[in-house]
Amino acid sequence: GAVVSQHPSWVICKSGTSVKIECRSLDFQATTMFWYRQFPKQSLMLMATSNEGSKATYEQGVEKDKFLINHASLTLSTLTVTSAHPEDSSFYICSAQGPAGGGRVAGELFFGEGSRLTVL
Amino acid sequence: KQEVTQIPAALSVPEGENLVLNCSFTDSAIYNLQWFRQDPGKGLTSLLLIQSSQREQTSGRLNASLDKSSGRSTLYIAASQPGDSATYLCAVNQAGTALIFGKGTTLSVSS
Repeated sequence: GAVVSQHPSWVICKSGTSVKIECRSLDFQATTMFWYRQFPKQSLMLMATSNEGSKATYEQGVEKDKFLINHASLTLSTLTVTSAHPEDSSFYICSAQGPAGGGRVAGELFFGEGSRLTVL
Repeated sequence: KQEVTQIPAALSVPEGENLVLNCSFTDSAIYNLQWFRQDPGKGLTSLLLIQSSQREQTSGRLNASLDKSSGRSTLYIAASQPGDSATYLCAVNQAGTALIFGKGTTLSVSS
């Protein structure tokens, strides 16, 4: 299957700082990537759809100025949590849609390992 | 707006039992349905993917079925083992869109 890598796996930062999380598709090009957030004992909630070369589409209730998404290439999307606060502490997971072929199913989504953010 | 519901929210069984996890979705116009496993504090492990034209998929002791018209899917786990203890997530999408997840079923298998 396809591989999606996230970095860092976990990060601890002080309140007020900005944190950047990278999501890379390692063996395929992804025109579309998705960012999710998961609070403890909750399910994954879609935050935004990241489109290569264009602005991200944010879900209702997600602040676009707070969560900056950049999809500058076909293999990399970044999520920057700006001026992070303790309530932003969460597990952030990215997903990329792989192309059909090579054993992959059309429309199948592949997930990164997740990035755990703790804001002190 | 698509909504995914999973029942039960939690399940405890002794080792060796066969069990069924249920998933329902409100909009039957789906493209794919995927079942995932998530261990505490970890990412997602994809278990099975069922395309909208398919009825079921099998992998080892796992069998997932899909009844698209009624908006239901089941994940059947045969001969459960303590290592199967995890949260199981069901998710659906339409073509080119993000997966929408249910809240999951947390399974505990005791030895």
